[in-house]
Amino acid sequence: GENVEQHPSTLSVQEGDSAVIKCTYSDSASNYFPWYKQELGKRPQLIIDIRSNVGEKKDQRIAVTLNKTAKHFSLHITETQPEDSAVYFCAGLGGSQGNLIFGKGTKLSVKP
Amino acid sequence: DSGVTQTPKHLITATGQRVTLRCSPRSGDLSVYWYQQSLDQGLQFLIQYYNGEERAKGNILERFSAQQFPDLHSELNLSSLELGDSALYFCASSGLGGFTDTQYFGPGTRLTVL
Repeated sequence: GENVEQHPSTLSVQEGDSAVIKCTYSDSASNYFPWYKQELGKRPQLIIDIRSNVGEKKDQRIAVTLNKTAKHFSLHITETQPEDSAVYFCAGLGGSQGNLIFGKGTKLSVKP
Repeated sequence: DSGVTQTPKHLITATGQRVTLRCSPRSGDLSVYWYQQSLDQGLQFLIQYYNGEERAKGNILERFSAQQFPDLHSELNLSSLELGDSALYFCASSGLGGFTDTQYFGPGTRLTVL
């Protein structure tokens, strides 16, 4: 069935470095790719999303790129800060009802 | 704060029991989604309601059911509970109910089945 795979599962960076999280999807009809940040014990919060009519979207230190041909999309965080430490989830459309399918998450640790 | 509320925050119960989780969407949102988050399965879509009607069904067990009331709040009923049902249950809401609409998550209900 439809699937969204996310890598890496854990990522540790030094404060100020960049972090990149990659996701691949299987449903070529998927046209919406949100990214959620979940801090420990809290709810997932949308941080950025991209639709298939654009290849890149930026919001301050966060950017997402989409390659529809290769069916993968990536989250880029520049100048990381300790408060960026969280679990990040990517998602794409493609369930049996066209619903969101989430990746398994990436635990990002930013060390001061 | 997303504007989505969920009660209770924590729930501890025994196998075989039945519980009800409640969700109130953001003001003006017509659609409610339920998700289950467990350590090994990640975030799994269970079911979606739009303006009182079921719109989409995901990996929801037959022991689970949901409904959305005229005031748009939603309840998720879990029955004949098993140890494996222990998880975080989130609801999310969006305005119009399309899956490309931004979904705003509530704080979740942590269910522990002993």
